[in-house]
Amino acid sequence: EAGVAQSPRYKIIEKRQSVAFWCNPISGHATLYWYQQILGQGPKLLIQFQNNGVVDDSQLPKDRFSAERLKGVDSTLKIQPAKLEDSAVYLCASSESLGRPGGGYTFGSGTRLTVV
Amino acid sequence: AQSVAQPEDQVNVAEGNPLTVKCTYSVSGNPYLFWYVQYPNRGLQFLLKYITGDNLVKGSYGFEAEFNKSQTSFHLKKPSALVSDSALYFCAVRDLRNTPLVFGKGTRLSVIA
Repeated sequence: EAGVAQSPRYKIIEKRQSVAFWCNPISGHATLYWYQQILGQGPKLLIQFQNNGVVDDSQLPKDRFSAERLKGVDSTLKIQPAKLEDSAVYLCASSESLGRPGGGYTFGSGTRLTVV
Repeated sequence: AQSVAQPEDQVNVAEGNPLTVKCTYSVSGNPYLFWYVQYPNRGLQFLLKYITGDNLVKGSYGFEAEFNKSQTSFHLKKPSALVSDSALYFCAVRDLRNTPLVFGKGTRLSVIA
């Protein structure tokens, strides 16, 4: 099966600019996650979707970050305006269903964002 | 709230020697525990998981992990390390309520030929 697709792979922007990341999960996976991985740290959850609804966005900095999954498939994560501390790898992951806590996630290769 | 501790930032081991990467966790109720590996410029790849049953779990590439409930640990092991095992390893936990995976900060494994 095809994996989780993310684009772009790399992005360099200046602070205060905006940026968007795209994720296409594995076909049929109802649950989609965006994680932020800062260098030297483990991935931290930003937002979790079940189909096109938000399940958990408690750690999303909503003053500058937004995410959507309008048709319950692809998802977009946006940052506006970006700050230097947003430099990180943004990982998208998907899993089959919220109802299978024993199920693992499949991760995309990530988007490496550098804010200068 | 769940949490994971990986006490070692770096583990160095000679090729052919056994390796252990440590992980302890905190969760309400019974845990679901996972190990992922990350190679440079790649996403996280699933290695193995503990859900229930046998405390010794076998996974991909010859890795295994031992669940110890009394010590709240889930250490990753391999009997004989390969240079190609050099990567960043993450332990993760979630609980029965199916909250999102919570990751440790990672341990960099370096296998020296």
